[in-house]
Amino acid sequence: QLQLQESGPGLVKPSETLSLTCSVSGGSISSHLYYWGWIRQPPGKGLEWLGNVFYRGTTYYNPSLKSRLNISVDTSQNQFSLKLTSVTAADTAVYYCGRSTTFGMILIGWFDPWGQGTQVTVSS
Amino acid sequence: DIQMTQSPSTLSASVGDSVTITCRASQSVSNWLAWYQQKPGKAPKVLIDGASSLHSGVPSRFSGSGSGTEFTLTISSLQPDDVATYYCQQYRSYSPITFGQGTRLEIK
Repeated sequence: QLQLQESGPGLVKPSETLSLTCSVSGGSISSHLYYWGWIRQPPGKGLEWLGNVFYRGTTYYNPSLKSRLNISVDTSQNQFSLKLTSVTAADTAVYYCGRSTTFGMILIGWFDPWGQGTQVTVSS
Repeated sequence: DIQMTQSPSTLSASVGDSVTITCRASQSVSNWLAWYQQKPGKAPKVLIDGASSLHSGVPSRFSGSGSGTEFTLTISSLQPDDVATYYCQQYRSYSPITFGQGTRLEIK
């Protein structure tokens, strides 16, 4: 059974870089059937898609964050990572990683499964 | 961006009731729509993709319908375990992928 697990610092200072890793177990990240993505949820709010990466390195980002966001993949470690620069309090959220199916004309489909999520707080 | 708007924002119903949540897209997403259930403190779980395809292990009391710009999620006989927030997500366009704002379902 595929499982995803987020890891990284729970507290980041304003203007610094938020770095998270998603470790994939129970299956290979090197599949042409899936993209791997990040979604976040600010406290008490809804879900925001951040971006996805393919095992070969192709990335798609939310245009609203594209200038600050980098998502990369490490197939040797079966994991992918997120870096978000110049963070502010507005970046405080639970960050989830997830697998999305790609098929036909659909590059990024629904997310299943999801990691359990990791709380990141931006504060000095 | 394709905006996804859910209604109502909050829904209160009794055990055994049939409840319906609506999701409207600002432009056609064909049937490229998924529904998720999120319980407090947990990650979302996919219920339906392709607007109406029930995922494995999801109770048959959940059903989805619609295409184009209007979609519904129906729970035919509400159970206490269904208390959660429900989200729709379009994947017609990945620039960006967008979610509805959520519908919080409570038991009376």
